[in-house]
Amino acid sequence: QQQVKQSPQSLIVQKGGISIINCAYENTAFDYFPWYQQFPGKGPALLIAIRPDVSEKKEGRFTISFNKSAKQFSLHIMDSQPGDSATYFCAASINNFNKFYFGSGTKLNVKP
Amino acid sequence: NAGVTQTPKFRVLKTGQSMTLLCAQDMNHEYMYWYRQDPGMGLRLIHYSVGEGTTAKGEVPDGYNVSRLKKQNFLLGLESAAPSQTSVYFCASSPGRGLAGVYTDTQYFGPGTRLTVL
Repeated sequence: QQQVKQSPQSLIVQKGGISIINCAYENTAFDYFPWYQQFPGKGPALLIAIRPDVSEKKEGRFTISFNKSAKQFSLHIMDSQPGDSATYFCAASINNFNKFYFGSGTKLNVKP
Repeated sequence: NAGVTQTPKFRVLKTGQSMTLLCAQDMNHEYMYWYRQDPGMGLRLIHYSVGEGTTAKGEVPDGYNVSRLKKQNFLLGLESAAPSQTSVYFCASSPGRGLAGVYTDTQYFGPGTRLTVL
């Protein structure tokens, strides 16, 4: 049973458009929600993260929106660029970060 | 500062063979993790360690063993490899509890090891 469900599996966006990736979870004990970016042949790298005490966090062109009541969170990439083409993973963890549960990943392709 | 390194980068095994994957970090991190990545499955935690000499099971520990004899190293062993263990394996580390007693949560990943079991 997957703890974090991610959609869509793949996404094609035109340069300059908005990319939106969604994740949902069931365990209300989760208290940390990071997004990771992974380029082919590389390990994932932390992109942005949020805690449930805020509804939105923005860093440059990347924004996390968090809906605690719906148990959903999403990544928005504004002004998407070809260099953003990568696989994106959402994740969730509890308390002292011993265990992270990852979504299944979204492969983003930004067309020039 | 190399960050997190993994050895080897690629390996092909026959069913029943054994091998050890080595992860090393030079950031003095307390926590270390082993994940496997399979298409459509995301990353799944195999085992993790919250400090030298400690290990614990993750989501998919069966068929794997780990050891953390030194703080900077985390070894993943396959005693008798099976085709179902064909995957890309990632090691990660994180600072854990910092000097102020507050957990810091960023995980730093290695480049991965691509393992094929025939």
